[in-house]
Amino acid sequence: AQKITQTQPGMFVQEKEAVTLDCTYDTSDQSYGLFWYKQPSSGEMIFLIYQGSYDEQNATEGRYSLNFQKARKSANLVISASQLGDSAMYFCAMRDELSGGYNKLIFGAGTRLAVHP
Amino acid sequence: SAVISQKPSRDICQRGTSLTIQCQVDSQVTMMFWYRQQPGQSLTLIATANQGSEATYESGFVIDKFPISRPNLTFSTLTVSNMSPEDSSIYLCSALDSALREQYFGPGTRLTVT
Repeated sequence: AQKITQTQPGMFVQEKEAVTLDCTYDTSDQSYGLFWYKQPSSGEMIFLIYQGSYDEQNATEGRYSLNFQKARKSANLVISASQLGDSAMYFCAMRDELSGGYNKLIFGAGTRLAVHP
Repeated sequence: SAVISQKPSRDICQRGTSLTIQCQVDSQVTMMFWYRQQPGQSLTLIATANQGSEATYESGFVIDKFPISRPNLTFSTLTVSNMSPEDSSIYLCSALDSALREQYFGPGTRLTVT
């Protein structure tokens, strides 16, 4: 069975510094996708970044990058130059991407990030 | 990227009543999903909304409690039936884009049952 583990319930960082949010996963599938979402206090889920298991390069989207280490089954999110607006809950998620199956996401428990001025 | 809207954004309901949540996507999408997020918890998949057929429910969720419709490729509804305070949660609609890579969420419906 697939499983996502986020071991940091809370993190804080100084404004303008970089922060890494940890995510490890467990799956027996060869083809899968990894996601990070941001959830501010308003409750919406904001898509940040996606990494496919067969993608050779680490995914990047602006200030967000995904440090994908397949052998270690980790998919850490790196936020560079933190801003006050980055304070939110962050969820790591994964899904099986075998053809023919339906693609449901499973989520980790989340990490609450606080950015301090 | 798909833009997803949900109605209502929030509601306060009495126990024993039902609420229908609407989800509209601005483009045709292959798959749509409904998730529940209980207070202080992560997201849990309720069901996959299948166009033109019955939804596929996850373990612990049943059609009588959470009937779902998906009449076309851009719209779905979730009904929370015979509500109890334990149903107080954020309900989120989600959709896969046509390339089946990125998955987007609606803004959520914050439900409180008294």
